[in-house]
Amino acid sequence: EAGVVQSPRYKIIEKKQPVAFWCNPISGHNTLYWYRQNLGQGPELLIRYENEEAVDDSQLPKDRFSAERLKGVDSTLKIQPAELGDSAVYLCASSPDRRGRAWETQYFGPGTRLLVL
Amino acid sequence: DQQVKQNSPSLSVQEGRISILNCDYTNSMFDYFLWYKKYPAEGPTFLISISSIKDKNEDGRFTVFLNKSAKHLSLHIVPSQPGDSAVYFCAASGGGNEKLTFGTGTRLTIIP
Repeated sequence: EAGVVQSPRYKIIEKKQPVAFWCNPISGHNTLYWYRQNLGQGPELLIRYENEEAVDDSQLPKDRFSAERLKGVDSTLKIQPAELGDSAVYLCASSPDRRGRAWETQYFGPGTRLLVL
Repeated sequence: DQQVKQNSPSLSVQEGRISILNCDYTNSMFDYFLWYKKYPAEGPTFLISISSIKDKNEDGRFTVFLNKSAKHLSLHIVPSQPGDSAVYFCAASGGGNEKLTFGTGTRLTIIP
């Protein structure tokens, strides 16, 4: 079974440029998460989807970040414009479980490493 | 405010010996705790969890201990194997918040 797929794996951009990350969750997984992991830190949740509905986006900086999950499958996370402090690894995860605490069944993708110059 | 702390950024252990990774938390509302393992260029993978109603949970070579009064948990790996070399994150949830709060991670190196 294929795991969570993310692309691109690496991205280098100049500040003020836009950037987008794509995530394809494991087939059949209804819940999708986007996390940001800063250097030397643990992952921090940005947004959680159940199907196409964003059920928790309280940590998403809405002035520059946006996300969508059309048709409840693939998801994109966008930053516009990017700032130096956005340099981080952006992780996508999915789970077949609709429960809020579906931690054990949460599978992470390899992440997209973003560097903003 | 770092609610989940892993004060040891790195740990080296001889193969075959016990590895003990520690984690402290400050939020008394946390009632569910997990450990994740992360290899380079991969996402974290779930390892083991424990609810606050228990003080120990064991799965093969991995055991997690929870001391609620001290707000401390630890992960024991015995015996340690080279494949255990990775970064280990503890995470916590609770208080009606469905969000996981991760620690900063400990890099474990198993020396052959």
